Amino acid sequence: QKEVEQNSGPLSVPEGAIASLNCTYSDRGSQSFFWYRQYSGKSPELIMFIYSNGDKEDGRFTAQLNKASQYVSLLIRDSQPSDSATYLCAVNLGDGGSQGNLIFGKGTKLSVKP
Amino acid sequence: DGGITQSPKYLFRKEGQNVTLSCEQNLNHDAMYWYRQDPGQGLRLIYYSQIVNDFQKGDIAEGYSVSREKKESFPLTVTSAQKNPTAFYLCASSKAGGIQETQYFGPGTRLLVL
Repeated sequence: QKEVEQNSGPLSVPEGAIASLNCTYSDRGSQSFFWYRQYSGKSPELIMFIYSNGDKEDGRFTAQLNKASQYVSLLIRDSQPSDSATYLCAVNLGDGGSQGNLIFGKGTKLSVKP
Repeated sequence: DGGITQSPKYLFRKEGQNVTLSCEQNLNHDAMYWYRQDPGQGLRLIYYSQIVNDFQKGDIAEGYSVSREKKESFPLTVTSAQKNPTAFYLCASSKAGGIQETQYFGPGTRLLVL
């Protein structure tokens, strides 16, 4: 069973702090990794994607990938109350004819306190 | 405005009734996907289509059917065989069905059983 695991939270951080969200995946052949943000009652929206080992920065967001440890994380610097949402980690396994398919974790709920 | 639209926003199903959820995109994307999300759960893939007139079952296809007669449209029918249909249904699309393709989501349809 190919799985993507996330701590369900809630993760509570004060405004202005760094929020660290973690995700592990079971399939060593996984090729690409995505972070989505989902506000309550809304659909997921893409924050970042990462394909190669290392860090990728976009504004206040940094994605970190370590394929050897099968671990991907999302750091949110200077957290704002508007960042309060559920963050979904998604992994593309790169399987044959279903190369576009993603496996989603259950999400981590982040709460940023003013 | 380019994007993905889903209708209706809310849908009520009676016992034994088939209902159809609409998904339309004007992004000129080849690949389209249907997911189901239950409370506190990740997204689970129902069906996907990488090209017109072709579609494949996902992880939880039983009780559902789809068609892909046009590139822009990928309707999902929830049949009476689906015994627990109450969920948030999300349609997504990507430019192609490749490893590094990003999926973008519509606003979702919430299905409730009367």
